[in-house]
Amino acid sequence: RKEVEQDPGPFNVPEGATVAFNCTYSNSASQSFFWYRQDCRKEPKLLMSVYSSGNEDGRFTAQLNRASQYISLLIRDSKLSDSATYLCVVNPSGSGNTGKLIFGQGTTLQVKP
Amino acid sequence: NAGVTQTPKFQVLKTGQSMTLQCAQDMNHNSMYWYRQDPGMGLRLIYYSASEGTTDKGEVPNGYNVSRLNKREFSLRLESAAPSQTSVYFCASRNPARGREQYFGPGTRLTVT
Repeated sequence: RKEVEQDPGPFNVPEGATVAFNCTYSNSASQSFFWYRQDCRKEPKLLMSVYSSGNEDGRFTAQLNRASQYISLLIRDSKLSDSATYLCVVNPSGSGNTGKLIFGQGTTLQVKP
Repeated sequence: NAGVTQTPKFQVLKTGQSMTLQCAQDMNHNSMYWYRQDPGMGLRLIYYSASEGTTDKGEVPNGYNVSRLNKREFSLRLESAAPSQTSVYFCASRNPARGREQYFGPGTRLTVT
């Protein structure tokens, strides 16, 4: 079983739609969680961190469910510019201060006019 | 402030050839990382350097060596390239004092024939 699993998609949605992605992780002791965004043939960039209490940044909302070991990302009012691959990222337990991260394979979103 | 830079951007090698991928960061970050990204898989950690003077293996170190030349530079060497090393290679850096966000370079696309 992969440590971090995502549905690769693609998710094809019209502009203005609300779309949600889930991600599951296998290590219950994992410490920190993130969503990164990766545009086609570009480097990944941090979209947002995911906190236990949930957090929101404009149209984006991230939530963590430790009991079920999943993380979600909700995008409201989708824009064409949201088209990208969204990577679920976990900082595993036992990594100390090395900063090691485990990446999911990514979920591809295509927003259509 | 260029962030993280990588050279070359593209490279084609024949099986058995060697090469070094260069990475430099100008953000005064202590930690640096090398990943590879293959289709259908998340980024996988090859080697990392938690601080200047230290290097450690990641998830997929076989066939690679690294050198943390100084605080700015972290190079990845393929001593005898194999077709299985065809991939996109990303370098990243992080300031441990400022959380777990990693900043990525633009990547090197390597093909081994």
